[in-house]
Amino acid sequence: DAGVTQSPTHLIKTRGQQVTLRCSPKSGHDTVSWYQQALGQGPQFIFQYYEEEERQRGNFPDRFSGHQFPNYSSELNVNALLLGDSALYLCASSLLGGPGGAYEKLFFGSGTQLSVL
Amino acid sequence: KNEVEQSPQNLTAQEGEFITINCSYSVGISALHWLQQHPGGGIVSLFMLSSGKKKHGRLIATINIQEKHSSLHITASHPRDSAVYICAVLKAAGNKLTFGGGTRVLVKP
Repeated sequence: DAGVTQSPTHLIKTRGQQVTLRCSPKSGHDTVSWYQQALGQGPQFIFQYYEEEERQRGNFPDRFSGHQFPNYSSELNVNALLLGDSALYLCASSLLGGPGGAYEKLFFGSGTQLSVL
Repeated sequence: KNEVEQSPQNLTAQEGEFITINCSYSVGISALHWLQQHPGGGIVSLFMLSSGKKKHGRLIATINIQEKHSSLHITASHPRDSAVYICAVLKAAGNKLTFGGGTRVLVKP
């Protein structure tokens, strides 16, 4: 059973470019959350998708957008990249609709390391 | 002030020592997670707590809801326990996790 998979693992972009990161949740999970982790910091919540809709959003500008597909996979898009967007982007999946409620068990992908030059 | 604070930020121990990592939070929560992050980014969920205590192998996690405090203990520490340990809380309102800054643990042989 594959866990959470993210692609690509590493990415280098220049300022002003746009980037799309992808996440496939663990089999059976219906909720995907995205996080940004700067070097030496804890992750920061970007947004969460459930039933193809954005359910909750952290303090990130509109340059950060996302999408969830019918198969529960998700994309994170960042437009007009800034140097400060360089970070590890993590995806986590969970079963929101399960009997244990939200976040009964969290599974994280290995992340996408984005470098903006 | 951050809503979730961890201490210490860094911890070095000798193999076999007992390790304690602390997490304090300032908001009402419905659950608290302890996570382990190895170099390269992979995060593993260790525990989810809403009350009391949980044990898995050499790891023990406790939470005191009234005091808004949780601890993660590692007994008989081993070099493979070297990682960053992160506390994350699920606020009582909403479904997003708020993370502490992490505790970097190094266990020397």
